[in-house]
Amino acid sequence: AQSVAQPEDQVNVAEGNPLTVKCTYSVSGNPYLFWYVQYPNRGLQFLLKYITGDNLVKGSYGFEAEFNKSQTSFHLKKPSALVSDSALYFCAVRAGGNKLVFGAGTILRVKS
Amino acid sequence: NAGVMQNPRHLVRRRGQEARLRCSPMKGHSHVYWYRQLPEEGLKFMVYLQKENIIDESGMPKERFSAEFPKEGPSILRIQQVVRGDSAAYFCASLSGTASYEQYFGPGTRLTVT
Repeated sequence: AQSVAQPEDQVNVAEGNPLTVKCTYSVSGNPYLFWYVQYPNRGLQFLLKYITGDNLVKGSYGFEAEFNKSQTSFHLKKPSALVSDSALYFCAVRAGGNKLVFGAGTILRVKS
Repeated sequence: NAGVMQNPRHLVRRRGQEARLRCSPMKGHSHVYWYRQLPEEGLKFMVYLQKENIIDESGMPKERFSAEFPKEGPSILRIQQVVRGDSAAYFCASLSGTASYEQYFGPGTRLTVT
């Protein structure tokens, strides 16, 4: 069965510093991987996806993610964090019928 | 192009009542997915529908829950005889077709059972 793990419940980073939110996956076959962000009392917003191609995927709001097949990881990164990036981040993998299997989520707190 | 619409945004029901949650997908999208987010948890898949068809309901509780996506109108998630454990945020997402991959989510309906 497809699954993802987000090993950190919370990540704290100072504004202007680089950030990384970790995600590892377990799939049978080629992984289709996604990152979504959720702001308080809002729905999920799509950030980026990896389907095939370059291992470094660029997405919205300056975020990018690095796909690493040997480590089965898909970490979310941003070179310089903003306070407004503070939110709940979900990694997800596509399962049968295009349904998504989500990780438990990681709270990102960016402090000024 | 309007995004995915869900209503109501907040719904309060007493135990034993029925809850009806509505989802209008993005224009041109014919695939709808429902997910549930329990407090302090991630999203869990419930059901996948196309127009007039339930494609995958493997995540739906066996009793009290049903879903439909009629030819005309929104998709409906119906919960009969609600219990406190049904309190959660329910999100729907839409997809234009199986060749697309990113799902677009609505703002969710927060159900509170008192």
